[in-house]
Amino acid sequence: AQTVTQSQPEMSVQEAETVTLSCTYDTSESNYYLFWYKQPPSRQMILVIRQEAYKQQNATENRFSVNFQKAAKSFSLKISDSQLGDTAMYFCAFTRNSGGYQKVTFGIGTKLQVIP
Amino acid sequence: EPEVTQTPSHQVTQMGQEVILRCVPISNHLYFYWYRQILGQKVEFLVSFYNNEISEKSEIFDDQFSVERPDGSNFTLKIRSTKLEDSAMYFCASSDREWANTEAFFGQGTRLTVV
Repeated sequence: AQTVTQSQPEMSVQEAETVTLSCTYDTSESNYYLFWYKQPPSRQMILVIRQEAYKQQNATENRFSVNFQKAAKSFSLKISDSQLGDTAMYFCAFTRNSGGYQKVTFGIGTKLQVIP
Repeated sequence: EPEVTQTPSHQVTQMGQEVILRCVPISNHLYFYWYRQILGQKVEFLVSFYNNEISEKSEIFDDQFSVERPDGSNFTLKIRSTKLEDSAMYFCASSDREWANTEAFFGQGTRLTVV
């Protein structure tokens, strides 16, 4: 079974600063995907960034980047130049990459507050 | 921008009653999902649905749960006889391809309170 662990229940960052959210996971799979999702207050969960396990290069999406350490089973999210709109719950998630497999395992989430 | 919509946003029901949670996925999507999050706990997978049948379900999704796509647009989750521990936020999601290969879109959720 896969597990996803987010050890930081809450974090805060000053506007324009950089913050890193931690995520570790456990799996025996070799082929999988990792995700970070963002859920703003009272809004839908949206995909922030996706990483394919077989790709060594870390994914980036504008101000969002990941540090993927496959051997350590670590997948942290870095938010640069934090903005007030980044205030949200952030979920790390995992899914196997095998045909037809649909289950996504989520972490418990990290609540990020961006302070003006 | 297309979005997944869920109704109602909040449902209060008596223990033992049946409840139906409704979702309208994005129109050209083929894969549909239900997740739930009990307060203070992880978001948990319940079920995935493709080609008019369940493609995968978790151990949570027992005989008390069922899903249906009755009219080609709605995607419903039915809980036949609700228990107190079914109180949670229920999220619907949809995608045009398998989750790993695309972006799945979530609804805002339905908060179910069983009293």
